[in-house]
Amino acid sequence: GQSLEQPSEVTAVEGAIVQINCTYQTSGFYGLSWYQQHDGGAPTFLSYNGLDGLEETGRFSSFLSRSDSYGYLLLQELQMKDSASYFCAANYGGATNKLIFGTGTLLAVQP
Amino acid sequence: DAEITQSPRHKITETGRQVTLACHQTWNHNNMFWYRQDLGHGLRLIHYSYGVQDTNKGEVSDGYSVSRSNTEDLPLTLESAASSQTSVYFCASSEAGRDEQFFGPGTRLTVL
Repeated sequence: GQSLEQPSEVTAVEGAIVQINCTYQTSGFYGLSWYQQHDGGAPTFLSYNGLDGLEETGRFSSFLSRSDSYGYLLLQELQMKDSASYFCAANYGGATNKLIFGTGTLLAVQP
Repeated sequence: DAEITQSPRHKITETGRQVTLACHQTWNHNNMFWYRQDLGHGLRLIHYSYGVQDTNKGEVSDGYSVSRSNTEDLPLTLESAASSQTSVYFCASSEAGRDEQFFGPGTRLTVL
């Protein structure tokens, strides 16, 4: 079946840069999204990569390599408020946006 | 402002009872989704709909059903609740052809 793999936990300090990797299965793949979820909250959309390359949105960037079935989320200038779970999600439905989520990476930002 | 709401926010029920979780969105989105979230499993797709009268099974659909009689609502029904269905349930919607899904606040369901 369709599944995604990402690390379960990452720890970093304020001001640092952290990269969260995600690998996915290629069959029926359209693109890769990233979502942030704070404890007790709802997931919120961060970014989407439909094509190879880097997408930048402020302190957050996301990268996709279709040939490697791999993507990552890059968080720069880490702040305490960035402590949250981050999920990659593969679009296997095209315009219908059917997503399969990874199991999530818990990011802990330390002072 | 447009939004997506879920009710109830918390529910405790007993094994074997039928439970319905409501999801209502005011964005006029065609696509609606139901997920469950459990520790160690992330978000798993239960059912989804691409428009009125359209419903589809997701990864973990056994024991759940949905119906789509209008654009705004996609209620999720647990036909006979089981303890394994204790979870946090999220509803989401998206505009056709757009990448972003908007999530509701979630319903925490406990089946005793």
